[in-house]
Amino acid sequence: GAVVSQHPSRVICKSGTSVKIECRSLDFQATTMFWYRQFPKQSLMLMATSNEGSKATYEQGVEKDKFLINHASLTLSTLTVTSAHPEDSSFYICSAKGPFDSNQPQHFGDGTRLSIL
Amino acid sequence: GNSVTQMEGPVTLSEEAFLTINCTYTATGYPSLFWYVQYPGEGLQLLLKATKADDKGSNKGFEATYRKETTSFHLEKGSVQVSDSAVYFCALRNSGGYNKLIFGAGTRLAVHP
Repeated sequence: GAVVSQHPSRVICKSGTSVKIECRSLDFQATTMFWYRQFPKQSLMLMATSNEGSKATYEQGVEKDKFLINHASLTLSTLTVTSAHPEDSSFYICSAKGPFDSNQPQHFGDGTRLSIL
Repeated sequence: GNSVTQMEGPVTLSEEAFLTINCTYTATGYPSLFWYVQYPGEGLQLLLKATKADDKGSNKGFEATYRKETTSFHLEKGSVQVSDSAVYFCALRNSGGYNKLIFGAGTRLAVHP
């Protein structure tokens, strides 16, 4: 089945550091990728939707300058948390879908746990 | 707007007990409905789905039927195992746009031997 790889799985870094998270589709072309944030014991909150080669669409309340999304190829999207602070600590999950499977579900990565000290 | 409401957890069961996790939705049009499972420290895995009214999704002993008249998609399993302990998310996806998923709050299931 379709596989989405997310890297790294865990990041611990100091406040003020910028952190990049990668999301790769391993066996299909991901024309659309989604980035979610999940707080402990809560549901997933969609942060943004990105289409290959175009600017990401951010959900209301998500700072686009804080959470930079790049989707430069059909197999890779990156989320960069700029100048991260402790309140940015969370579990970030990406998902991806291909171009012709409007009735098929998104395929999720295993998530990245970000801890800012 | 579109929304998904799940029963609150945690749900605690003994092994081999019957499981029901309720899910109701509000949506315009004809959404597709999904159940995802999240094991500790991991991302989400699709458990089952249904794309139209009266469809029944099933996988690994879990079932859910798309009920348009009651706008529900309740998850059931006849006999749970300890390995089923996880968080279960009900979700809907409307057609059009970028096919965004809208998730319920999640229900934590704990199964004891």
